[in-house]
Amino acid sequence: GNSVTQMEGPVTLSEEAFLTINCTYTATGYPSLFWYVQYPGEGLQLLLKATKADDKGSNKGFEATYRKETTSFHLEKGSVQVSDSAVYFCALSSGSARQLTFGSGTQLTVLP
Amino acid sequence: KAGVTQTPRYLIKTRGQQVTLSCSPISGHRSVSWYQQTPGQGLQFLFEYFSETQRNKGNFPGRFSGRQFSNSRSEMNVSTLELGDSALYLCASSFDGLSSGNTIYFGEGSWLTVV
Repeated sequence: GNSVTQMEGPVTLSEEAFLTINCTYTATGYPSLFWYVQYPGEGLQLLLKATKADDKGSNKGFEATYRKETTSFHLEKGSVQVSDSAVYFCALSSGSARQLTFGSGTQLTVLP
Repeated sequence: KAGVTQTPRYLIKTRGQQVTLSCSPISGHRSVSWYQQTPGQGLQFLFEYFSETQRNKGNFPGRFSGRQFSNSRSEMNVSTLELGDSALYLCASSFDGLSSGNTIYFGEGSWLTVV
């Protein structure tokens, strides 16, 4: 079956630090990959996505590259801000499955 | 345009009761799916509806059910509530579902506490 393994949190960084959150996956077929972000008390917002190997998704300074050879989709940002503090979820959808499979989430706290 | 709207946002129920949660998708979206979020199990897929038909179902007991109306609005129902049903229930909508490569958009969720 499908599964997503995400870097354990929580992660605490200082403002302007470099961020990496690791995500690896197991899936049948050729999955689409997503990063969602959840701010306190809110639902999930799509941060970025990639639908085929070597695609790079990017949004708001965040990037992730779909690496089929390592089955990974690591999230990176060059300089985090306090406003980036949230929980980040890696997710996939595969084949005819009309559902998202999520990782466990990584809590990010950015200190001023 | 308006996003996905879920009501109620917060509710408290007693064990053994039932609850109905409502979701209004983004205008023009015909697919609605539901997810349960708990600290222990994370985010888990409940079911997906498209044009009033359930197209996909996750691994939840029959106490969890849903439906979709002709205007694409959806409800989910949980009967005989258990303490473990306490969770954030998230609704998501898309034009016609994930397998078409569409993006799905989530609502802010309904927080259910069972006491």
